[in-house]
Amino acid sequence: DTGVSQDPRHKITKRGQNVTFRCDPISEHNRLYWYRQTLGQGPEFLTYFQNEAQLEKSRLLSDRFSAERPKGSFSTLEIQRTEQGDSAMYLCASRGADTQYFGPGTRLTVL
Amino acid sequence: QQQVKQSPQSLIVQKGGISIINCAYENTAFDYFPWYQQFPGKGPALLIAIRPDVSEKKEGRFTISFNKSAKQFSLHIMDSQPGDSATYFCAARESGAGSYQLTFGKGTKLSVIP
Repeated sequence: DTGVSQDPRHKITKRGQNVTFRCDPISEHNRLYWYRQTLGQGPEFLTYFQNEAQLEKSRLLSDRFSAERPKGSFSTLEIQRTEQGDSAMYLCASRGADTQYFGPGTRLTVL
Repeated sequence: QQQVKQSPQSLIVQKGGISIINCAYENTAFDYFPWYQQFPGKGPALLIAIRPDVSEKKEGRFTISFNKSAKQFSLHIMDSQPGDSATYFCAARESGAGSYQLTFGKGTKLSVIP
């Protein structure tokens, strides 16, 4: 399967813990996005990378969130000191020309 | 401020019927309008997309109608099937300089009953 992959698929953590998610985009895509989706809502943009450069961040991305894309390949999204409000599906997408292709997401539950 | 408004929130259609989902936007800089389909536990998958220079685009049973002056667009699913039961999201994108991020509607949960 050459689509976008994300790991882990599910993460349950206690409030205050740090979590890290990984996204592997489609190999030839140099543009990568992170979105957050809460129950009953559409995905909301968090951040954008072109190659290894993080070019845009949403106001939703508080200072507890950090994303990286070393060497322009896979990307990681870290949430520090998790809060219950962070519970959501975190989606990664990569883009070649026009279309953004989404991964299956990581569902985070903060207890 | 919700930039893309989607309705209805949920929709029940009988097998073989037509499913219609509507979206409206305010930002006139939007110039690309995709529809995504999402099944439970999966990421959204692109269904069909349109640019504002055409008023309609059809791919199989799926048709987008676009009204630029009204800033509205809709998805029609002809001959709806139980396998079409999913959540559908309209989205919009502003091209040019920038990230090409997508702005999504809140989604429509479609149930097609036999």
